[in-house]
Amino acid sequence: RKEVEQDPGPFNVPEGATVAFNCTYSNSASQSFFWYRQDCRKEPKLLMSVYSSGNEDGRFTAQLNRASQYISLLIRDSKLSDSATYLCVVNIPRGGGSQGNLIFGKGTKLSVKP
Amino acid sequence: NAGVTQTPKFQVLKTGQSMTLQCAQDMNHNSMYWYRQDPGMGLRLIYYSASEGTTDKGEVPNGYNVSRLNKREFSLRLESAAPSQTSVYFCASSEAYVGQGNTEAFFGQGTRLTVV
Repeated sequence: RKEVEQDPGPFNVPEGATVAFNCTYSNSASQSFFWYRQDCRKEPKLLMSVYSSGNEDGRFTAQLNRASQYISLLIRDSKLSDSATYLCVVNIPRGGGSQGNLIFGKGTKLSVKP
Repeated sequence: NAGVTQTPKFQVLKTGQSMTLQCAQDMNHNSMYWYRQDPGMGLRLIYYSASEGTTDKGEVPNGYNVSRLNKREFSLRLESAAPSQTSVYFCASSEAYVGQGNTEAFFGQGTRLTVV
C-alpha cells in the first residue's frame, strides 16, 4: 500500500458545485496532515492544515479520521479560480523521536467549468 | 520578501554533464528540502536538511548530492546527468523539521530540467 494515496481525478464540476476529495495514508503513527494546492506549472502552496477536530476556512473544510486513516477536503460553492491540483500531504515518521518526512500524494486535479 | 529562490528556472543538459541547482531562503528557516515532480508520480523527496550542518537521504537520492552551505542555502548537484533525471525540481524550507508539529513548507518556483 502506498504511503499516501489520492484519487487522481480529474474532477470536472460546474461552478457552484460541492466537491470532496479523499486521501488515505498507511502509517498510523503520522501526526501532521495538510492540503496543498498547486496551480499548473507553479509551486505547491499550503491550502490548510488538517486538525483532529476538523477545521474550516471559508468554503473549505478539512477532516481527519485517524481510525480509518483518511483525510478529506470539501470545497463548497466551487469557483473557477478553484481549478488546480490538490495535494494531500502527510508527515510520515522516520526512525524514533520526532523526525519525519513530508510525503505528498500524487494530487487530485479539479477543473471548475462555467 | 523573496521567500525561497531557486536558480536556474530552466536547464537543458546532455547526458553525462554535471550541474548544481541553487536554492536560498530568506525566512531564517532551519529545515530545507529538495523534491522532484514527475507526471503521475507526484512530489518525491530527494534529500533534506533538518538543520544547518546535517543532510539526509529522502525517497529517491540516487544520482544526487547535496550541500547545506549555510542556514540560507541548500544546493543539489547532479554529477552525471541521465535522461531519467528529467523532471521539475522544487526546493522547500520550513521553520522547523516537519516532524515537529504542523509547520508549513514554502516552495521555490521550481527548476525545469531536461536531460537529452
